[in-house]
Amino acid sequence: AQSVSQHNHHVILSEAASLELGCNYSYGGTVNLFWYVQYPGQHLQLLLKYFSGDPLVKGIKGFEAEFIKSKFSFNLRKPSVQWSDTAEYFCAVTRPSGTYKYIFGTGTRLKVLA
Amino acid sequence: DVKVTQSSRYLVKRTGEKVFLECVQDMDHENMFWYRQDPGLGLRLIYFSYDVKMKEKGDIPEGYSVSREKKERFSLILESASTNQTSMYLCASSPQGGTRNTIYFGEGSWLTVV
Repeated sequence: AQSVSQHNHHVILSEAASLELGCNYSYGGTVNLFWYVQYPGQHLQLLLKYFSGDPLVKGIKGFEAEFIKSKFSFNLRKPSVQWSDTAEYFCAVTRPSGTYKYIFGTGTRLKVLA
Repeated sequence: DVKVTQSSRYLVKRTGEKVFLECVQDMDHENMFWYRQDPGLGLRLIYFSYDVKMKEKGDIPEGYSVSREKKERFSLILESASTNQTSMYLCASSPQGGTRNTIYFGEGSWLTVV
């Protein structure tokens, strides 16, 4: 079945550590890729998105993600995390020729220790 | 700022009850969605609607129905609630015009079925 995989379910880091969260999708062809974040008690919001062009895309709050087509991956990175980055992170995919369905990964819970 | 409002944040219902979850968006978006969010399973699409009175089944529609009588309002109905429907329910909306659009979420409705 076509899917979006996030292999890290729980990640714990100390402040100032570097972060990389994995996201892999199983669709062939062109895809649109998104990372959403859910801070404790808040609604899901967009971090960044990629459609085409430069495979390294920058988002809000210092996050970036790299699209590697050959690996079907769209990993999220941040050079130095802060306590306020504690949240759940979701990768999502849509297909340009498809319906408006956003397919989400299972999420990664990040806890940053102060 | 886009606002998606879910009228009930926390509900406790009895098995067999009919449950209505209401969602309103204020940005004149054509597309509206209902997801359920469960630990380890991420977000799973229940139903979506791309226009008034139009609806399409998502990945897990069994036990649910929806209603969209007005553009801004999308209701999720549990005809006969069961304990396996205990979950967080997320409403979302997005504008028409393709699969690159950001999807905007409400804060969620926690439903417990006892």
